[in-house]
Amino acid sequence: EVQLVESGGGLVESGGSLRLSCAASGFTFSSHTMNWVRQAPGKGLEWVSSISSSISYMYYADSVKGRFTISRDNAKNSLFLQMNSLRAEDTAVYFCARGTVGFDPWGQGTLVTVSS
Amino acid sequence: DIQLTQSPSFLSASVGDRVTITCRASQGISSYLAWYQQKPGKAPKLLIYAASTLQSGVPSRFSGSGSGTEFTLTISSLQPEDFATYYCQQLNSYPRTFGQGTKVDIK
Repeated sequence: EVQLVESGGGLVESGGSLRLSCAASGFTFSSHTMNWVRQAPGKGLEWVSSISSSISYMYYADSVKGRFTISRDNAKNSLFLQMNSLRAEDTAVYFCARGTVGFDPWGQGTLVTVSS
Repeated sequence: DIQLTQSPSFLSASVGDRVTITCRASQGISSYLAWYQQKPGKAPKLLIYAASTLQSGVPSRFSGSGSGTEFTLTISSLQPEDFATYYCQQLNSYPRTFGQGTKVDIK
């Protein structure tokens, strides 16, 4: 079964850091672009970052550029999001998702709450 | 950045209704558009990619069309499990923007 499972969310103070992880299984992780998408409470979906299969390319939303870093470990089938200088507006459920022509599958999400 | 505008933002419909949601892009994106369904507390689910290709396992009552700047998602006969929020997303360029969503509610 193709599956993505996020972890690492929690409550952090404004200015703090968190590292999210996404464990992949059931497919050849190293062959796929991976993505992070977030959803603030009661709001729509916001693309955050993408990383190519070979780690050659990384892209970020302007809202997180310079504060967040996407990475992956193809040997361990894992995707990461290092989040620094967190702000109240980063409070959201963070999803990892596979793909380039459409995001599928998605993980269940992990909640990040930034207190001010 | 490419902006996506969905219309309507909210629609009320009955079981059996034909429902159409529109997504307009601020510039041409060829056919690099996907549609998702999201239910409360759940992750989004991919319905359609490349504007009109039905994702495996998605019921055939869902269909997508369009290219360039105007796209539509159609549900031919609304079922009880289809009441949800629908999002379009462009995958032509970065940032990979989403539309603001269309909530389909029970009339």
